[in-house]
Amino acid sequence: DAGVIQSPRHEVTEMGQEVTLRCKPISGHNSLFWYRQTMMRGLELLIYFNNNVPIDDSGMPEDRFSAKMPNASFSTLKIQPSEPRDSAVYFCASSSGQGSVYEQYFGPGTRLTVT
Amino acid sequence: TQLLEQSPQFLSIQEGENLTVYCNSSSVFSSLQWYRQEPGEGPVLLVTVVTGGEVKKLKRLTFQFGDARKDSSLHITAAQPGDTGLYLCAGSNYGQNFVFGPGTRLSVLP
Repeated sequence: DAGVIQSPRHEVTEMGQEVTLRCKPISGHNSLFWYRQTMMRGLELLIYFNNNVPIDDSGMPEDRFSAKMPNASFSTLKIQPSEPRDSAVYFCASSSGQGSVYEQYFGPGTRLTVT
Repeated sequence: TQLLEQSPQFLSIQEGENLTVYCNSSSVFSSLQWYRQEPGEGPVLLVTVVTGGEVKKLKRLTFQFGDARKDSSLHITAAQPGDTGLYLCAGSNYGQNFVFGPGTRLSVLP
């Protein structure tokens, strides 16, 4: 399996522009997670989906952020309008498991710079 | 709210030394994972521990889950420069509520 795929790997945009990050989870995984990582705040969970349904979006910073999962093999995280403080590395992870054991597998991340 | 604390935050050691890093919580988890993250990459899963008191070994790395399933430790024997990275622990309860600690940033100097 190719693992979790994210695109683009790097994104530089100007303040006010719309940004769309994309993720393809590992085939067969039924949960998908979006995280943001900065030096100051570490790894923060933004939202997660189970069977394509958003379960917990309490980590989404504000209405400028939205996430969708139209099918089991694709998800997007959109920021509109973007602001400099959104600059971070955004990770997508997918998970599967049974019983008490669930493991997350991360993509390589998208490094977003908003100028 | 479940929280995970990790200590130390930063650790710089010489090649060949041993070290232990800790992951602590006041909450019980059904499983706990350890990840290593290198610069410019996503976290990579190292191990999952499930049973209280469980010990798992991965070459020079030894992972232990506390008896009460609230804490864990990672011991590295004879550290090498390739062990350098950010070590993250994460707990979950039956696939829900994944919680990550802030990480221990390890630097192994040659």
